[in-house]
Amino acid sequence: KAGVTQTPRYLIKTRGQQVTLSCSPISGHRSVSWYQQTPGQGLQFLFEYFSETQRNKGNFPGRFSGRQFSNSRSEMNVSTLELGDSALYLCASSIGQGLASYEQYFGPGTRLTVT
Amino acid sequence: AQSVTQPDIHITVSEGASLELRCNYSYGATPYLFWYVQSPGQGLQLLLKYFSGDTLVQGIKGFEAEFKRSQSSFNLRKPSVHWSDAAEYFCAVGAVTNAGKSTFGDGTTLTVKP
Repeated sequence: KAGVTQTPRYLIKTRGQQVTLSCSPISGHRSVSWYQQTPGQGLQFLFEYFSETQRNKGNFPGRFSGRQFSNSRSEMNVSTLELGDSALYLCASSIGQGLASYEQYFGPGTRLTVT
Repeated sequence: AQSVTQPDIHITVSEGASLELRCNYSYGATPYLFWYVQSPGQGLQLLLKYFSGDTLVQGIKGFEAEFKRSQSSFNLRKPSVHWSDAAEYFCAVGAVTNAGKSTFGDGTTLTVKP
């Protein structure tokens, strides 16, 4: 079974631009969560989508948004990029229901650099 | 609110030696607890999980962890470390009411000496 895939793997953007990251979960998984990983803040939860609905949200500004499609693929968007948005963005998928929803399988991440 | 503390930022052990990585959590109810490993340039891989029942859980790659409610701890252990175990290890807690949202510790970097 293929794992979680994230595209692109690396991205360089300029301050003020916007960016869209994509995540394809494991086949059969209906939940997709997004995390931001930085050396200073560690792993921080952004949001989680299940069956095309946002089910949980972390403490990030409204510049960070996401969506999930009917095939469970998810995208996250960051508008008006700031230098502090430079990070590794990790996507994790799970079955989404019952205890198995807590078992998350992570993709390799997208490394975003904002200059 | 739930939180996770990993007291050791960096640990160095010799190959073949035993390993224990510490994790303390704060959560009002029975937590769901996890250990993940991250190799450089990679995402996180789930090593083991605890939901309920037997407090000693076995994971992949020869790892085990013990849940101690009285100490709010979930320490990761391995009897004999291999060079390939060098990586960063994260402890995480999941909330019963928040599936899909885990709170992670800051991680412990493991260096293995030959």
